[in-house]
Amino acid sequence: GENVEQHPSTLSVQEGDSAVIKCTYSDSASNYFPWYKQELGKGPQLIIDIRSNVGEKKDQRIAVTLNKTAKHFSLHITETQPEDSAVYFCAAIQGAQKLVFGQGTRLTINP
Amino acid sequence: GAVVSQHPSRVICKSGTSVKIECRSLDFQATTMFWYRQFPKQSLMLMATSNEGSKATYEQGVEKDKFLINHASLTLSTLTVTSAHPEDSSFYICSVGQYEQYFGPGTRLTVT
Repeated sequence: GENVEQHPSTLSVQEGDSAVIKCTYSDSASNYFPWYKQELGKGPQLIIDIRSNVGEKKDQRIAVTLNKTAKHFSLHITETQPEDSAVYFCAAIQGAQKLVFGQGTRLTINP
Repeated sequence: GAVVSQHPSRVICKSGTSVKIECRSLDFQATTMFWYRQFPKQSLMLMATSNEGSKATYEQGVEKDKFLINHASLTLSTLTVTSAHPEDSSFYICSVGQYEQYFGPGTRLTVT
């Protein structure tokens, strides 16, 4: 089955700087890669996703890149703000099968 | 995206009792809903896939007789934790969708 590895587990950046979180996946048949933001005590919120036929997708300050050959994808947050502090999860899915999540990254934005 | 609610948001129960958690899809007719469990500072683990009008599909290691799932309509799925024990204390979250999954706010279960 699919296995998703996520790094780093914690990340601390200064407000205004950029943050990058990386994930690798094992199953080359996976074709959809979402990113979720989870605030304390809340359910995960879908913030951006990318499908395997696209190499990059951007939405304002967040972007996701996908390298199918290397089987890794990354989340980029620019101009970070205190409200970006949360736990971020990457995930991968193949067809209509289940989402497999990475271990999560606790992002802290220091004012 | 789809709007999903859960009830209750928090519940405390005594060991040996049963607890029911509701998941409602407010604006999306969901033939499939997913139930996840999340322990503190850990990732989400899929417990089961709830199928409207048929039996749920459970992940390996999840006891179907302990975690009863009912998906009686396109907008409601319930998870009942039977004979709860302290080790069942966790954050239970449901979601709807296939590729794009939208999550509920979660239910914090504490078993004393």
